[in-house]
Amino acid sequence: DTGVSQDPRHKITKRGQNVTFRCDPISEHNRLYWYRQTLGQGPEFLTYFQNEAQLEKSRLLSDRFSAERPKGSFSTLEIQRTEQGDSAMYLCASSLSQGSYLSYEQYFGPGTRLTVT
Amino acid sequence: GENVEQHPSTLSVQEGDSAVIKCTYSDSASNYFPWYKQELGKRPQLIIDIRSNVGEKKDQRIAVTLNKTAKHFSLHITETQPEDSAVYFCAARPNDMRFGAGTRLTVKP
Repeated sequence: DTGVSQDPRHKITKRGQNVTFRCDPISEHNRLYWYRQTLGQGPEFLTYFQNEAQLEKSRLLSDRFSAERPKGSFSTLEIQRTEQGDSAMYLCASSLSQGSYLSYEQYFGPGTRLTVT
Repeated sequence: GENVEQHPSTLSVQEGDSAVIKCTYSDSASNYFPWYKQELGKRPQLIIDIRSNVGEKKDQRIAVTLNKTAKHFSLHITETQPEDSAVYFCAARPNDMRFGAGTRLTVKP
């Protein structure tokens, strides 16, 4: 499968626990995005990377959220001290930006559904 | 920041009819406007997009129109089929991508 993959697909955790999700983008894509989607809403931008650099972070992202992309390939999103309000689908997307070529097209992964009890 | 509004929130049409979904955006710097289709339990899939230097784009039964002056863009689906039933999201991109709240389209056979 050459598309965007995410792991795990589902995560149930107790309030206060830390969770970490992984995203593997399309192999030649150097931009990677994280979104959160709640029921009945569109994806909400959280942060994005170009290669290993985190270029933008939503003001909505609290200090409990951190994302990394250490080698410019896969990325991890960690949520510390989870709260019930963190329950959502966490989506990853990737796109290609190279030299003068900028593809705005973002391709999404299947998401990680987080349930905080 | 960018604010994208999408209407209607639900849309029901008879198979073979046309469906139109409209979005407005607030940031005049937005230059890219994609539409995504999301079926229940699945990832959003890009179905068509348009850049700000183009007024209309068509791909078989799907078309998108853009009015930069009025800051609105629309998705048009002709000859709808039951498999078109899904939630459709518009988005606008000044820097990061901002999505509308979605339209649940139901095509009745």
